[in-house]
Amino acid sequence: QVQLQQWGAGLLKPSETLSLTCAIYGGSFSGYYWSWIRQPPGKGLEWIGEISHSGSTNYNPSLKSRVTISADTSRNHFSLKLSSVTAADTAVYYCASGYIYAQRAFDIWGQGTMATVSS
Amino acid sequence: SYVLTQPPSVSVAPGKTARITCGGNNIGSKSVHWYQQKPGQAPVLVIYYDSDRPSGIPERFSGSNSGNTATLTISRVEAGDEADYYCQVWDTSSDQVVFGGGTKLTVL
Repeated sequence: QVQLQQWGAGLLKPSETLSLTCAIYGGSFSGYYWSWIRQPPGKGLEWIGEISHSGSTNYNPSLKSRVTISADTSRNHFSLKLSSVTAADTAVYYCASGYIYAQRAFDIWGQGTMATVSS
Repeated sequence: SYVLTQPPSVSVAPGKTARITCGGNNIGSKSVHWYQQKPGQAPVLVIYYDSDRPSGIPERFSGSNSGNTATLTISRVEAGDEADYYCQVWDTSSDQVVFGGGTKLTVL
């Protein structure tokens, strides 16, 4: 059974860079798309972007200028960096993938990481 | 960009049928997925490709998609179905994942 385990800094100051990593256990990075999704407190889900097995990326246009998603295939990890954070970036961040299904149906999710931006 | 519209809330009595809609321009031409999210938990996929159920999801959950509206139907609603529900598509024209705003299902 494929599982995602994520980690990263939970408390940031404005203008800092949020960094999160997601490790893939029980499965392979190759052949799939790997996404980051966030959810501000009390609000809905927002897709941040994805990286493919070939290393190509797609980003949400509203975040594109501040987001970098990268992968370390040798370690079965992929990562998110979000620069110049503000209080509006406070959210639970999830990594996710459509491992069994296509069309980006996310059947596996990380446990979520709460990131709080506060001075 | 593609927009998905859901009602903020739906209420239903136990044992009845809940229907949660997801509106989008010609959404019937896309594959719609649905997620259930309970407080403090990650979302769980309950319907994929409009109407298919992942292993472990009760048959009470079903989906349909036509025209400008996709619908998640929960039959014989139970108290444990109370949660937020999100629809989602992959918009191939922009290579973007799009989520609906979410619907809070309340079991009366």
